[in-house]
Amino acid sequence: NAGVTQTPKFRVLKTGQSMTLLCAQDMNHEYMYWYRQDPGMGLRLIHYSVGEGTTAKGEVPDGYNVSRLKKQNFLLGLESAAPSQTSVYFCASKKQRGAGYGYTFGSGTRLTVV
Amino acid sequence: SQQGEEDPQALSIQEGENATMNCSYKTSINNLQWYRQNSGRGLVHLILIRSNEREKHSGRLRVTLDTSKKSSSLLITASRAADTASYFCATDALDYKLSFGAGTTVTVRA
Repeated sequence: NAGVTQTPKFRVLKTGQSMTLLCAQDMNHEYMYWYRQDPGMGLRLIHYSVGEGTTAKGEVPDGYNVSRLKKQNFLLGLESAAPSQTSVYFCASKKQRGAGYGYTFGSGTRLTVV
Repeated sequence: SQQGEEDPQALSIQEGENATMNCSYKTSINNLQWYRQNSGRGLVHLILIRSNEREKHSGRLRVTLDTSKKSSSLLITASRAADTASYFCATDALDYKLSFGAGTTVTVRA
């Protein structure tokens, strides 16, 4: 049981390049999330999904797109990377709505845009 | 803007001492959670307290919640070197979307 797996773990991009971060969970969770973490700011929600085929904007969605074509995968895309998107990205999942269901976090993707 | 704010931003204590950190938030919540993050690692869930609860314990952790003041505190008793980490409070207003504070960095000196 792998939990939440993020790919890749590290990446360096040049300004203007595009890339996709993959989040995969094997727990049959309905809800999935993408957060970014910057120094001194904690985690901020980028986009989230409440089920296969659905996506919604979080607190800081600009410059990112997401897709949830399969229940187990949640992809985060950067179409034209900018230095301001240098950050550590965390994916999380939750079985369903309700306080009794905890969040499971991946180990993060460290992205540097130069 | 972030929902929660932790205080202090950083805390340095001697091994064996207690560590207390506080979290204030802005809007009503369904539950509040505390997470730990070791340097360069992911987040580990520590404890969840629901809005109708006032205090909760888990091992050496004690969490309080005061919804009238929109604040929570996390107490770690008898700290150990392994407790060195950043601690984040996260509020959940809808039971499916977490909003994090900026965190408290705790250093436990041997």
